[in-house]
Amino acid sequence: GENVEQHPSTLSVQEGDSAVIKCTYSDSASNYFPWYKQELGKRPQLIIDIRSNVGEKKDQRIAVTLNKTAKHFSLHITETQPEDSAVYFCAASRGSNYKLTFGKGTLLTVNP
Amino acid sequence: DGGITQSPKYLFRKEGQNVTLSCEQNLNHDAMYWYRQDPGQGLRLIYYSQIVNDFQKGDIAEGYSVSREKKESFPLTVTSAQKNPTAFYLCASSSTAGTGAETQYFGPGTRLLVL
Repeated sequence: GENVEQHPSTLSVQEGDSAVIKCTYSDSASNYFPWYKQELGKRPQLIIDIRSNVGEKKDQRIAVTLNKTAKHFSLHITETQPEDSAVYFCAASRGSNYKLTFGKGTLLTVNP
Repeated sequence: DGGITQSPKYLFRKEGQNVTLSCEQNLNHDAMYWYRQDPGQGLRLIYYSQIVNDFQKGDIAEGYSVSREKKESFPLTVTSAQKNPTAFYLCASSSTAGTGAETQYFGPGTRLLVL
């Protein structure tokens, strides 16, 4: 089955700096890669996702890049703010009707 | 994701007791999922269902059971066979067709504690 590795497990940055979280996956048939943000005690919320037919997707300060050959994808957050502090999870699946496999998460702390 | 509700918010289980966690959605989604979240472990899939009256085991199904008698409901029972049930339980749902069908939306979670 699919295996998703996520790094780093913790990341601390200064406000205004950029943050990058990286994930690798094992199943070459995976074609859907979402990123979720989870604040303490709350539900995970989808912040951005990418499908295998594109290499990059942006939404304001957040971007995701995908390298299908190397089987890795990354989340980039620019101009970080204290409210970006949370746990971020990557995931991978073969698409609808297939289960999502999650990475173990990255605790991002943005220091004011 | 506001269309998915879970209850209760906190649940306490005694030794040898079965407890049931509720998950309801009004998003008209076909698929529903149960995850367990432990610190540092990410989200691990317990069971999932893509259609009424059908469900499949996930990665950590032992000690759990589910039913899917209605499209909008997917209750999870934590049985006495689950020896380490303390965790945060998250329910999710998704469509199974059309644009964005892969996207899973999560409920607010139930925190289960053992007395």
